[in-house]
Amino acid sequence: GAGVSQSPSNKVTEKGKDVELRCDPISGHTALYWYRQRLGQGLEFLIYFQGNSAPDKSGLPSDRFSAERTGESVSTLTIQRTQQEDSAVYLCASSRAFAGETQYFGPGTRLLVL
Amino acid sequence: AQTVTQSQPEMSVQEAETVTLSCTYDTSESDYYLFWYKQPPSRQMILVIRQEAYKQQNATENRFSVNFQKAAKSFSLKISDSQLGDAAMYFCAYTTTGNTPLVFGKGTRLSVIA
Repeated sequence: GAGVSQSPSNKVTEKGKDVELRCDPISGHTALYWYRQRLGQGLEFLIYFQGNSAPDKSGLPSDRFSAERTGESVSTLTIQRTQQEDSAVYLCASSRAFAGETQYFGPGTRLLVL
Repeated sequence: AQTVTQSQPEMSVQEAETVTLSCTYDTSESDYYLFWYKQPPSRQMILVIRQEAYKQQNATENRFSVNFQKAAKSFSLKISDSQLGDAAMYFCAYTTTGNTPLVFGKGTRLSVIA
């Protein structure tokens, strides 16, 4: 596709359930990033992939959060045992593997945990 | 740790007028990249403009230009001939060399008054 796509667009879940969020990066982009944006806030970094490996997981807020990437393409962010404080927009971005390359963002997944 | 500060939570501008959004950052690096992203209500993050720190010339992109003051660690965005479609949240962001996550400011909400 022409841009980064994310699914689902919106997700409502009950506290304690697991959720999976998907990101399809721009074709050829080897770097992939996940960010979280709480209501009215800036973006917080969660995890970064270079190819299929994740050299920087420093932003994951707890061990309930995990992510994987396969085939240097699709990435899945999984949140286990969701809590109300997990409610946020989860944004994915991709870029080429060069210094300072622009990150292109998807439309995000809005997660609401009831 | 690098930080990005946007001191103006909200700004407004009359249509066709010029507005400047402020951004300061803190880093000990000499080589880095700065960005302004726009986030309309659709929540899609859109790149507005990009600046490489090693370039002395200020970046411009049509009606958008920056005033990059490296010594002062300041990176302001000027929007000329403001249009109703410019209304959005604007985020300043920083990254170092290599594929590193973006560090974002908290954003400035820009309103454009007809």
